[in-house]
Amino acid sequence: QKEVEQNSGPLSVPEGAIASLNCTYSDRVSQSFFWYRQYSGKSPELIMSIYSNGDKEDGRFTAQLNKASQYVSLLIRDSQPSDSATYLCAVSSGNTPLVFGKGTRLSVIA
Amino acid sequence: DVKVTQSSRYLVKRTGEKVFLECVQDMDHENMFWYRQDPGLGLRLIYFSYDVKMKEKGDIPEGYSVSREKKERFSLILESASTNQTSMYLCASLPMGGAGNPGELFFGEGSRLTVL
Repeated sequence: QKEVEQNSGPLSVPEGAIASLNCTYSDRVSQSFFWYRQYSGKSPELIMSIYSNGDKEDGRFTAQLNKASQYVSLLIRDSQPSDSATYLCAVSSGNTPLVFGKGTRLSVIA
Repeated sequence: DVKVTQSSRYLVKRTGEKVFLECVQDMDHENMFWYRQDPGLGLRLIYFSYDVKMKEKGDIPEGYSVSREKKERFSLILESASTNQTSMYLCASLPMGGAGNPGELFFGEGSRLTVL
């Protein structure tokens, strides 16, 4: 059974701080890694994807991947109250459907 | 913009009823998925389909069936609803071959089903 593990939170950070969200996965052949954001009462939306080891930056978001450690993270710089949401880590191995973690709830305190 | 439309946002059904959840996407995506989402359990895959008339079981198919007679429509069927099927159901679509951003699932707004 392929597993994706996340700390459920809530993770509380003050406005302007860096929020760090972490995810580990069990399937070593995983190739593609994604972060989805889900606001309360809404559907998930893709915010970051990463496919190779290292960092990938997009605005205030940085995804980090370490395949040797089977670890992927999402950093949110200059956190805003509007970033308060549940963040879902998702992993894919080739053509198989995405496997989602249970999500980490982030709360940014103004 | 891709649009995935789920026919019912809120449904209340009684135990033993047959329930149909409809999902339509307008971007000619080959892949379609049904998930359920429950507090503390996250998103769990029920069924998916790579093409018309094709279906594959996900992680929790028991108590569910699906139908995909047309490319744009993927239906989830609860043959005899039970209280443990009370949940939020999310439909999603994905183009074949990684067109666009691979792994970018497009979700519908969800159907919240309550079984009494």
